[in-house]
Amino acid sequence: NAGVTQTPKFQVLKTGQSMTLQCAQDMNHEYMSWYRQDPGMGLRLIHYSVGAGITDQGEVPNGYNVSRSTTEDFPLRLLSAAPSQTSVYFCASSYSRGLSTGELFFGEGSRLTVL
Amino acid sequence: GNSVTQMEGPVTLSEEAFLTINCTYTATGYPSLFWYVQYPGEGLQLLLKATKADDKGSNKGFEATYRKETTSFHLEKGSVQVSDSAVYFCALSDENWWYAGGTSYGKLTFGQGTILTVHP
Repeated sequence: NAGVTQTPKFQVLKTGQSMTLQCAQDMNHEYMSWYRQDPGMGLRLIHYSVGAGITDQGEVPNGYNVSRSTTEDFPLRLLSAAPSQTSVYFCASSYSRGLSTGELFFGEGSRLTVL
Repeated sequence: GNSVTQMEGPVTLSEEAFLTINCTYTATGYPSLFWYVQYPGEGLQLLLKATKADDKGSNKGFEATYRKETTSFHLEKGSVQVSDSAVYFCALSDENWWYAGGTSYGKLTFGQGTILTVHP
């Protein structure tokens, strides 16, 4: 009963490095999204996808890239890491009709530090 | 645009105390309202929800009532336990998310979170 799985759980990068945060769900959810969590700011939406091959930007998309080649996977790419991207990142998914009821299923988070 | 404002934290209580965490919102239309909880080291999980005015959501002894006239959705619990220590997030979803497209599509708006610590 895996649910939403994120890897890695912790990562330290140097400024300018690139990396990919992985997210996989085994619930056949159409909707997947990435949020970042910063102290005092709650969760902010980075990118989301409503199905394979379909992605769109959220509130804070700059510096991040996503793709959705399968229903199960939704990786988040940092193209050139900056200290401002130090944060905790959460992947969340939902069946599309469940979105109207706010039932997002979250992974455990990936803590990223950019030096 | 939509916004959610939660009371400033952190909140520190003794076991069996009464808990209130205030949440007010600004939204166009008629949103659905939610409380999420994040236990230490874990992701967020849905605690309760309400989809129309005067609805009361409840779960695990927590309650919140959707008050359209005051645009509020305050979280309450009559007797907190040490195990309730967590971060609590109020959130709303745009009623038009499915049809509107654009940046509101598929988006939950979260408050900043309130840290609750309960001491024995």
